[in-house]
Amino acid sequence: NAGVTQTPKFRILKIGQSMTLQCTQDMNHNYMYWYRQDPGMGLKLIYYSVGAGITDKGEVPNGYNVSRSTTEDFPLRLELAAPSQTSVYFCASIKGLAGYNEQFFGPGTRLTVL
Amino acid sequence: AQSVSQHNHHVILSEAASLELGCNYSYGGTVNLFWYVQYPGQHLQLLLKYFSGDPLVKGIKGFEAEFIKSKFSFNLRKPSVQWSDTAEYFCAVLDNTDKLIFGTGTRLQVFP
Repeated sequence: NAGVTQTPKFRILKIGQSMTLQCTQDMNHNYMYWYRQDPGMGLKLIYYSVGAGITDKGEVPNGYNVSRSTTEDFPLRLELAAPSQTSVYFCASIKGLAGYNEQFFGPGTRLTVL
Repeated sequence: AQSVSQHNHHVILSEAASLELGCNYSYGGTVNLFWYVQYPGQHLQLLLKYFSGDPLVKGIKGFEAEFIKSKFSFNLRKPSVQWSDTAEYFCAVLDNTDKLIFGTGTRLQVFP
């Protein structure tokens, strides 16, 4: 298994541009999460999904959108990039709450908005 | 809203010193608790977790944590740290809304 993969690894955007951060897991996990990590702020939950077709807002959803059309993929969309969205973005997945074992994290996407 | 507090933002220790990192959460119901470690330039890795049962949980690399329900705490401990433990440590709580909420992290620096 490849685990959780994220693309791209790095990206620089101009203010107002849009982009999609890709996240894919091949472990048949039901739960997937998007976090952003800022220095001294820990990880903030942006959006999460408990299964295909189901998404919900986390702590900091403004400026982002997600979709979950398949179990494997959970893309994060930035429509109008702003400097405040400069951060490192992590995607994560777990099998589910019952029989929970471990949350797997992707390697991260470092995004800079200028 | 549920929150997780890590009061130690930056801890500096010498090798062989004992470590205790604090973690408090606000949710009063059933929770699952986790400690993650992030080494420089890497993504998060699970150190240990608590779901139920024995409140003293042992994890990898000699770490352990104790769940004290009355204090809403889940402190991380290690009797003797090593230089290789230099990293950032995050406490996290999974509640019954399916959200995994992280604390702000504690940066640990261990000097030889």
